[in-house]
Amino acid sequence: KAGVTQTPRYLIKTRGQQVTLSCSPISGHRSVSWYQQTPGQGLQFLFEYFSETQRNKGNFPGRFSGRQFSNSRSEMNVSTLELGDSALYLCASSLAWVINEQFFGPGTRLTVL
Amino acid sequence: SQQGEEDPQALSIQEGENATMNCSYKTSINNLQWYRQNSGRGLVHLILIRSNEREKHSGRLRVTLDTSKKSSSLLITASRAADTASYFCATDARNTPLVFGKGTRLSVIA
Repeated sequence: KAGVTQTPRYLIKTRGQQVTLSCSPISGHRSVSWYQQTPGQGLQFLFEYFSETQRNKGNFPGRFSGRQFSNSRSEMNVSTLELGDSALYLCASSLAWVINEQFFGPGTRLTVL
Repeated sequence: SQQGEEDPQALSIQEGENATMNCSYKTSINNLQWYRQNSGRGLVHLILIRSNEREKHSGRLRVTLDTSKKSSSLLITASRAADTASYFCATDARNTPLVFGKGTRLSVIA
């Protein structure tokens, strides 16, 4: 089976712009979670989707949003980018919700200038 | 917060030695998992231990869980240069997502 794929792998944006990141889970996986990783804060949970429904949301401002499509692919959007949004954004998929192991994609490295 | 905290933050050992990393958390959990991350890439799942389990093995990995102390340890035996990575523990409780610790950076010197 193909692993979790994330596009794009690298992205450079300027403050105030918006960005959309994409994640394709492993075939058959219905749960997709998103994380933000920075050197200072570590890995922080953004949100989790299961069968197109947001099941959990982390403590991030409303500028961060996401969605999941019927084929389980997921997108996350960040509007009005800030310098502090520079991070590695990781997507993970799993068969069911949370308690199973999560399979991570390689991440999207976002740099905000 | 139930965030796990790994200890030490960084560890440097010689190839062939054993590496031990610890994780402490604050609230009751359902499961605890360990993940490895190589140099800013995606995480790889290593092992999951449930709250009613005390020890689990997988190849050169041994994980223990002490729910009374709210702590877990990951032992890598006979380490190799390829084990150089960051190691994270992650915990989950009922109806909550995985919460990751800040990680231990392991360097294995050949």
